[in-house]
Amino acid sequence: DQQVKQNSPSLSVQEGRISILNCDYTNSMFDYFLWYKKYPAEGPTFLISISSIKDKNEDGRFTVFLNKSAKHLSLHIVPSQPGDSAVYFCAAINTDKLIFGTGTRLQVFP
Amino acid sequence: DSGVTQTPKHLITATGQRVTLRCSPRSGDLSVYWYQQSLDQGLQFLIQYYNGEERAKGNILERFSAQQFPDLHSELNLSSLELGDSALYFCASSVDGMRGNTEAFFGQGTRLTVV
Repeated sequence: DQQVKQNSPSLSVQEGRISILNCDYTNSMFDYFLWYKKYPAEGPTFLISISSIKDKNEDGRFTVFLNKSAKHLSLHIVPSQPGDSAVYFCAAINTDKLIFGTGTRLQVFP
Repeated sequence: DSGVTQTPKHLITATGQRVTLRCSPRSGDLSVYWYQQSLDQGLQFLIQYYNGEERAKGNILERFSAQQFPDLHSELNLSSLELGDSALYFCASSVDGMRGNTEAFFGQGTRLTVV
C-alpha cells in the first residue's frame, strides 16, 4: 500500500530551465510534507517542507506547492543547475511515521 | 555532515547469518528511525524509537529487531539473513518525533550485501 507516490522515476531537464517533480498521496490525514534530496552513496538530506495549512512554501530556487483537494504536491526548481542532479524523495508525516515515495531521479544537463 | 553516524558503512555476510547495524543520533535528538532501501526502491520505514521506547512500526520482518539504548544510540539486528535482505539501511534522527513536524536527519547508511 503505497501511500506516497512519485509516478515519474526519472526526469531530464536542461540547465537554467525549470524542473518540476510531482508527488501524489492517498491519506488525507497527512499534515506535513517534505522533500529530500539524495546523492549516490549518501543519506537523504532535507530540502524543503510544507504544512497542510499552506499551499506554497519557497526557499531560494526551491518552491513546493500543495493542492490538498487533489492530494498532490510538486517541487519546482528554478533555475535548474547541474548540481541539482540527484534522486528526490517526497515524504509525508502520518502520526510518527515519515513515509517516503519511491523517488524521482533528476538529471540536469548543460 | 548530518550528525547521524552509522556503522559499519559496508557489510558483507552469508545467508543465514546475523548482523547488527549501529546508529548514533544527532546530539539532543530523542527519536531514531530505521529505513531500508532496496535496489531501485524507495525508502521503506522499518521502525521508530523515541527515548528508548518503540513508537511506530512499519514493514519490519520478524527476523529483524531493533532497540534504543539509554545513551540513545540504536541497533538494528537482522537475523537468518536472506539474499533479498541485501539493501541500504538508513538511520535517521529527529528532536522529538514527527509529531513536532520536524525534519529527520539521515546518516550515510550501511550497505548490506548477503551472499
